[in-house]
Amino acid sequence: NAGVTQTPKFQVLKTGQSMTLQCAQDMNHEYMSWYRQDPGMGLRLIHYSVGAGITDQGEVPNGYNVSRSTTEDFPLRLLSAAPSQTSVYFCASSRTGFQGSGYTFGSGTRLTVV
Amino acid sequence: AQSVTQLGSHVSVSEGALVLLRCNYSSSVPPYLFWYVQYPNQGLQLLLKYTSAATLVKGINGFEAEFKKSETSFHLTKPSAHMSDAAEYFCAVSDRNSGNTPLVFGKGTRLSVIA
Repeated sequence: NAGVTQTPKFQVLKTGQSMTLQCAQDMNHEYMSWYRQDPGMGLRLIHYSVGAGITDQGEVPNGYNVSRSTTEDFPLRLLSAAPSQTSVYFCASSRTGFQGSGYTFGSGTRLTVV
Repeated sequence: AQSVTQLGSHVSVSEGALVLLRCNYSSSVPPYLFWYVQYPNQGLQLLLKYTSAATLVKGINGFEAEFKKSETSFHLTKPSAHMSDAAEYFCAVSDRNSGNTPLVFGKGTRLSVIA
């Protein structure tokens, strides 16, 4: 089925470990974003990309890296996990740009850092 | 920076009653505005969007929102609540003049529907 696929769905990490959250879309969307969702905080933008090879920081980029080597994939890397990174992470994509068109969201990755 | 404020983190209505979820934006220039819904343990789905002329926007599942420039508001309404409407609702905004920067989301309003 066409859409945004996030893996894994659940993950528990120990403080200091690193990992990569995967995001893939098969809709040939140019625009992709990573958000984190925390209770009472809504969704906050971590990083985004407007095309392969182009990425930029959002509101809360510290502790995260991204790259966009292909149109389809936009992985999010946690360099050294901290308890403050416990959250639900959503990847989203858009065909025609962030303005004026809606996003397609993945189903999320629930991350716990202990 | 563009922002939206959602008034009320939790709204509770009876089944069949009017649903009103409030959203105010901060820009002096009318932005693009969106409402999304999130059902438990799922991602977000687009309900409706305001991008240009029509100030009353109709969305899916019987929801609609009216853009009011004088009040800098984009409140979401539904005439008659259904149990299946119980979810979290997010207002989001994008500045028309900011280029292709991603949406900024409000903090969300959780809607409970009482039988």
